[in-house]
Amino acid sequence: DQQVKQNSPSLSVQEGRISILNCDYTNSMFDYFLWYKKYPAEGPTFLISISSIKDKNEDGRFTVFLNKSAKHLSLHIVPSQPGDSAVYFCAARDTGANSKLTFGKGITLSVRP
Amino acid sequence: DTGVSQDPRHKITKRGQNVTFRCDPISEHNRLYWYRQTLGQGPEFLTYFQNEAQLEKSRLLSDRFSAERPKGSFSTLEIQRTEQGDSAMYLCASSSRLAKNIQYFGAGTRLSVL
Repeated sequence: DQQVKQNSPSLSVQEGRISILNCDYTNSMFDYFLWYKKYPAEGPTFLISISSIKDKNEDGRFTVFLNKSAKHLSLHIVPSQPGDSAVYFCAARDTGANSKLTFGKGITLSVRP
Repeated sequence: DTGVSQDPRHKITKRGQNVTFRCDPISEHNRLYWYRQTLGQGPEFLTYFQNEAQLEKSRLLSDRFSAERPKGSFSTLEIQRTEQGDSAMYLCASSSRLAKNIQYFGAGTRLSVL
């Protein structure tokens, strides 16, 4: 049972435009959410996170939005750059689970020059 | 840069052989995690250490898998009698006491079982 779902396997956007990556979850015990970026042959790199007590967190070009009632979060990248092309994973932490993370399957983002 | 270090980066072995991977976490990170990632999937949790204590193990971690963190610093993950289904990327991550929610990952060890 996939508790963190990234239903779109890929996304292609034009350089300079906004990229919106979506993530849904089913476990209401998740209280902290993270986005990781992964390049080929490298490990996941932490990008941005948000606690369940907030609905928005911003860091430079990256903003994460959390809608708890819908169990949905999204990552906005503005403006998108070719170097943003990578696989993006949404991850969630269960409040009672020793900080282990549950990951989605990832979205491949391609930013066209 | 003293990020999470994993060794080896690649391991090719024959079915039935034993393999051992090493992870050196970020200095002073007291929490260490092992994950496994297969093609088209996100990382899946295997086990978790706080200092030298192994506090949680996933049901994915069969009896053939064992992990240790003897002095609360580096960790090893051993797979005995490897099977083709063990072929995957094995990722190690660490987090600090003060920022325990954010895990920093190593580059992983890619295991291929022939």
